[in-house]
Amino acid sequence: EAQVTQNPRYLITVTGKKLTVTCSQNMNHEYMSWYRQDPGLGLRQIYYSMNVEVTDKGDVPEGYKVSRKEKRNFPLILESPSPNQTSLYFCASGSLDRFNEKLFFGSGTQLSVL
Amino acid sequence: KQEVTQIPAALSVPEGENLVLNCSFTDSAIYNLQWFRQDPGKGLTSLLLIQSSQREQTSGRLNASLDKSSGRSTLYIAASQPGDSATYLCAAISGSARQLTFGSGTQLTVLP
Repeated sequence: EAQVTQNPRYLITVTGKKLTVTCSQNMNHEYMSWYRQDPGLGLRQIYYSMNVEVTDKGDVPEGYKVSRKEKRNFPLILESPSPNQTSLYFCASGSLDRFNEKLFFGSGTQLSVL
Repeated sequence: KQEVTQIPAALSVPEGENLVLNCSFTDSAIYNLQWFRQDPGKGLTSLLLIQSSQREQTSGRLNASLDKSSGRSTLYIAASQPGDSATYLCAAISGSARQLTFGSGTQLTVLP
């Protein structure tokens, strides 16, 4: 089954404690991206990747890191989480074929930073 | 910078009614526009994707239209059902980096 898998589903942590949210897709997609969703602000892009070893900043990259060492994985790293990073996070992947650019989303990670 | 707006923010209708959700975007140079559904506490499910060269796409009771010149897209839902209750988001893909810009969504409630 084609899917984007995020882990964990829920995460509670404390300020300053490094964490990683994993994202994996099994569709051989070139494009992967991270978004955060906040009430009243909608979905905002954090980072995206067009292929292995190619990453770029989205609209709200501050405080986040990503890596794309393999095509299927695109982890999101918070080196020193802060309370303003409490949010619902989504990973997405898609083909870069212009006529087939549907995006597939993971189920989300609800992060709370205390 | 692309901006996407959805109106209304919330909509409540009785079961069986036909309805239209609106999406507008500021930069008409888009690759495509995609409509998503989001259920509470869950991820986004792609409903329809309209290529920039297309005018509309249909899937079952759903029909999405695109007018690039006016910067508008609409999602038409026929014969609404309580199971259609969800938040509907539109997103435009534009720019050389194929950046996806989302609207804030329309929260739809279909009353039995």
